[in-house]
Amino acid sequence: RKEVEQDPGPFNVPEGATVAFNCTYSNSASQSFFWYRQDCRKEPKLLMSVYSSGNEDGRFTAQLNRASQYISLLIRDSKLSDSATYLCVVNKGGSGNTPLVFGKGTRLSVIA
Amino acid sequence: EAGVTQFPSHSVIEKGQTVTLRCDPISGHDNLYWYRRVMGKEIKFLLHFVKESKQDESGMPNNRFLAERTGGTYSTLKVQPAELEDSGVYFCASSQVGQAKNIQYFGAGTRLSVL
Repeated sequence: RKEVEQDPGPFNVPEGATVAFNCTYSNSASQSFFWYRQDCRKEPKLLMSVYSSGNEDGRFTAQLNRASQYISLLIRDSKLSDSATYLCVVNKGGSGNTPLVFGKGTRLSVIA
Repeated sequence: EAGVTQFPSHSVIEKGQTVTLRCDPISGHDNLYWYRRVMGKEIKFLLHFVKESKQDESGMPNNRFLAERTGGTYSTLKVQPAELEDSGVYFCASSQVGQAKNIQYFGAGTRLSVL
């Protein structure tokens, strides 16, 4: 079983649509959770950290369910510029400066 | 403020040759990480420095890979001799020590092609 599993997509949605991505992780010791965004042939960039209480940043909402080891990302009112690969990322385990473990990513294409 | 910088951006070498990749972390970031993405796979951790010390090198594939961070500033990753399966994108990331969430910032990567 992969450490972080995501639906690879692609998700092809029209502008203005709402789209949701899900991810599961296997290491119950993970303490830090993130969504990164990666554009084609670019580096991963932090989109948002994910907290158990849920957090929102503009059109983006992230949720974490520790009991189910499940992370989600909701994008509302999709823009063309949201087209990218979204990476579900957790830390290797424990707190502190442990390395990151990545999912393969979910590809999103927002179409005009 | 400069982000994480990596050099070169691309490298094409023949099997058996040696390649050295360089990473300059964000100034003041004592944590430095190397990751790699091979085609069709997820990004995978290689190793972690705290200042000049190797904290975790559990992801290094084999002894053809040597990473250094002399003086605790920039880091190099040398592959010698390179094999075909070493092709991929090598990312470097840095973060501040002591952060609760350990947010890592990535460089643009070095795309390595071994022919």
